[in-house]
Amino acid sequence: DVVMTQSPLSLPVTLGQPASISCRSSQSLVSSDGNTYLNWFQQRPGQSPRRLIYKVSNRDSGVPDRFSGSGSGTDFTLKISRVEAEDVGVYYCFQGGYRPPFTFGPGTRVDIK
Amino acid sequence: EVQLVESGGGLVQPGGSLRLSCAASGFTFIYYWMAWVRQAPGKGLEWVASIKEDGSERYYVDSVKGRFTIFKDDAKNSLYLQMNSLRAEDTAVYYCVRAGWELDYWGQGTLVVVSS
Repeated sequence: DVVMTQSPLSLPVTLGQPASISCRSSQSLVSSDGNTYLNWFQQRPGQSPRRLIYKVSNRDSGVPDRFSGSGSGTDFTLKISRVEAEDVGVYYCFQGGYRPPFTFGPGTRVDIK
Repeated sequence: EVQLVESGGGLVQPGGSLRLSCAASGFTFIYYWMAWVRQAPGKGLEWVASIKEDGSERYYVDSVKGRFTIFKDDAKNSLYLQMNSLRAEDTAVYYCVRAGWELDYWGQGTLVVVSS
């Protein structure tokens, strides 16, 4: 199965400053259909997870444009251009592939310095 | 508006059984894969199981194979997770989630506690 790793696991950030989270997979996530099924999720304290980004770089409806996703193959990045207080929470990368099994990364906790 | 409402969680003894339900609304249920994802207290997310829109394919994480069964009732727009031979390590909030790799909509979760 594909193993997902994230770094850092904890990320204290200053309001208004950028933040970046790295996600790596144990094998290429390019599927046989040519797509890369790498998603990013945000989980605010006490809430259900919410999808932010799908297929590497596509932002979901209602997600602020300060969030962006990039990467290819086995290396992916979620960037927040200017962190706001509402961005506090845990961020997970997720590999979907063409068929299960699916796996999440361990999560990166973002909080304000 | 897409809504997923889980129910059926609770306290169960090790070795016991529980059936989780998820009532779906706001979308055409028969067109979508569905999934269960869980989160142990204070831990990360773990994909548990997925079912194809027509029910012809089902997939499970290794740790629940042979113990859990995912199934759906299209007439009731409902997804289920039958959990047997429960273990302490199955203690978690279980989320009903729309779609396969997409995981685009999540329910609020239902808590399952396996303890004597």
